Amino acid sequence: KAGVTQTPRYLIKTRGQQVTLSCSPISGHRSVSWYQQTPGQGLQFLFEYFSETQRNKGNFPGRFSGRQFSNSRSEMNVSTLELGDSALYLCASSFMGQGRETQYFGPGTRLLVL
Amino acid sequence: AQTVTQSQPEMSVQEAETVTLSCTYDTSESDYYLFWYKQPPSRQMILVIRQEAYKQQNATENRFSVNFQKAAKSFSLKISDSQLGDAAMYFCAYTAPYNNNDMRFGAGTRLTVKP
Repeated sequence: KAGVTQTPRYLIKTRGQQVTLSCSPISGHRSVSWYQQTPGQGLQFLFEYFSETQRNKGNFPGRFSGRQFSNSRSEMNVSTLELGDSALYLCASSFMGQGRETQYFGPGTRLLVL
Repeated sequence: AQTVTQSQPEMSVQEAETVTLSCTYDTSESDYYLFWYKQPPSRQMILVIRQEAYKQQNATENRFSVNFQKAAKSFSLKISDSQLGDAAMYFCAYTAPYNNNDMRFGAGTRLTVKP
């Protein structure tokens, strides 16, 4: 089985722009979670999608949004980029999105905001 | 709120020796799940081992084992016969069953393996 894939792997944007990141889960997995990783704040949960519905959301401003498609692929969007949005964005998938399941992570998208 | 604490920012070990990474957590739940993930320089998070809180037996996976002390809310990772490929950041993580994968991570421990 192919693992979780994320595109693009690297991205450079300027302040004020918006960006869209994509995540394709492992085949058969219906839950996709997104995390932001920064040196200062560590790994922080952004949101989780299951069957095209956002079920859970972390403590991030409304500039961070996401969606999930019927094939379980997910996108996250960050509007009006700020310097502090520079981070590694990781997505993870699991079958049903239950806490007892193991999450499998993608390789991440490294976003640099100038 | 559930929190995870890793008090060792950096650790080093000689190749072929044993090292233990510490993790403590805070929760009022009785049912939860604990994980150790490894993040090598490639940045891909890889599951090392997991532990269900309702199981008293400590999980093991080849050279990796945990010491799970539920009452003390402690979950340490022991790496035996350390190899150069074990060098990475190690993250301890927690989820509760209803959290829909809102996984809480510790700050991480950077492990260096010396040849």
